[in-house]
Amino acid sequence: GDSVTQMEGPVTLSEEAFLTINCTYTATGYPSLFWYVQYPGEGLQLLLKATKADDKGSNKGFEATYRKETTSFHLEKGSVQVSDSAVYFCALSDQNNQAGTALIFGKGTTLSVSS
Amino acid sequence: DVKVTQSSRYLVKRTGEKVFLECVQDMDHENMFWYRQDPGLGLRLIYFSYDVKMKEKGDIPEGYSVSREKKERFSLILESASTNQTSMYLCASSLSRVNTEAFFGQGTRLTVV
Repeated sequence: GDSVTQMEGPVTLSEEAFLTINCTYTATGYPSLFWYVQYPGEGLQLLLKATKADDKGSNKGFEATYRKETTSFHLEKGSVQVSDSAVYFCALSDQNNQAGTALIFGKGTTLSVSS
Repeated sequence: DVKVTQSSRYLVKRTGEKVFLECVQDMDHENMFWYRQDPGLGLRLIYFSYDVKMKEKGDIPEGYSVSREKKERFSLILESASTNQTSMYLCASSLSRVNTEAFFGQGTRLTVV
């Protein structure tokens, strides 16, 4: 079945460092891809999304490009801030999946940024 | 803005109790979902619903049931709570089969003692 694999954490960075969180997926159809962020004590918020191959999603300085050839959707940010400390989830939905359109999530990557 | 509201932030229940977790969305979304979140396991889908009175099992439905009598409300029911159901429960909704961006509630931290 469909699945998402993201890099294990925690990731610990200094402020202004470059961030990459790897995400790869397996899907039978043509999925939409998402990154969600969860700040401490809160629910998940959509960070960015891409709905077709070669699309680039971007928001708040974060970017991810939908790479069909490598089945990847890696999250990047050029200069992280302390306020970016959170748990990041990669997810997919496959509209061609007859089982429905629920999002399938990776296990999450905890990012900790120190000043 | 879409709002998904879960009825409780924190709940403590006793083993064997019947537990109801309520979720309401205000944007006329077709789809609603219940996930549980556990450290190291990420989010796992319990049940989802794509229409009123319709439901589909997710990956871990055992020990749970759901109810969707109205479009805006999706309830998760623990028939007989057990300690291994202690977890964070997240409700979400999405507009349609085509637009699958999900909006989440703030979560309910359930402890079963």
